[in-house]
Amino acid sequence: NAGVTQTPKFQVLKTGQSMTLQCAQDMNHNSMYWYRQDPGMGLRLIYYSASEGTTDKGEVPNGYNVSRLNKREFSLRLESAAPSQTSVYFCASSLFQDTQYFGPGTRLTVL
Amino acid sequence: QKEVEQDPGPLSVPEGAIVSLNCTYSNSAFQYFMWYRQYSRKGPELLMYTYSSGNKEDGRFTAQVDKSSKYISLFIRDSQPSDSATYLCAMKGNYGGSQGNLIFGKGTKLSVKP
Repeated sequence: NAGVTQTPKFQVLKTGQSMTLQCAQDMNHNSMYWYRQDPGMGLRLIYYSASEGTTDKGEVPNGYNVSRLNKREFSLRLESAAPSQTSVYFCASSLFQDTQYFGPGTRLTVL
Repeated sequence: QKEVEQDPGPLSVPEGAIVSLNCTYSNSAFQYFMWYRQYSRKGPELLMYTYSSGNKEDGRFTAQVDKSSKYISLFIRDSQPSDSATYLCAMKGNYGGSQGNLIFGKGTKLSVKP
């Protein structure tokens, strides 16, 4: 089992560009999450999907959109990237809304 | 007051020391308590999981929950340089929806010196 996989691992964008971060899990989990992690701020929840077909805002949703493509995949889209979105992004999944398993992260820099 | 408080450290100890990492919380409804370990430039990995109060031991690691004091601890015995990482506590109550997600502490950075 690969667990939770994320692509890309690194990305550099210019202000105003768009991109989609991909996440997939092979654990047959129902719930999936997107976090950002910044120094001194800890993990902050951007969006989550408690089950296939549902998505909800987390603590810091502004500037982001998500799609739960199917049970395995949950993508995060930045429509118009801003320097404030420079961060490390983690995807996680859980069987239900319980113990979460994290991917390796995507390091995003917005210039 | 934040829901979960965790001292960010950094905490530096010599190899072989006993390490104590702690979190306090304010929501008495929390029932599920976890500790994650995050190595530099990696994703968090689940280390310990405890339901309700009490102790749980796994090798050199012991997780302790004191619900009366709203205080959880992670003890590492015979610490090793490979234990150098950031440790995050996480917890939640017994409900779903927007209240069903884990609440994370900000993490304590631990360094174990040879």
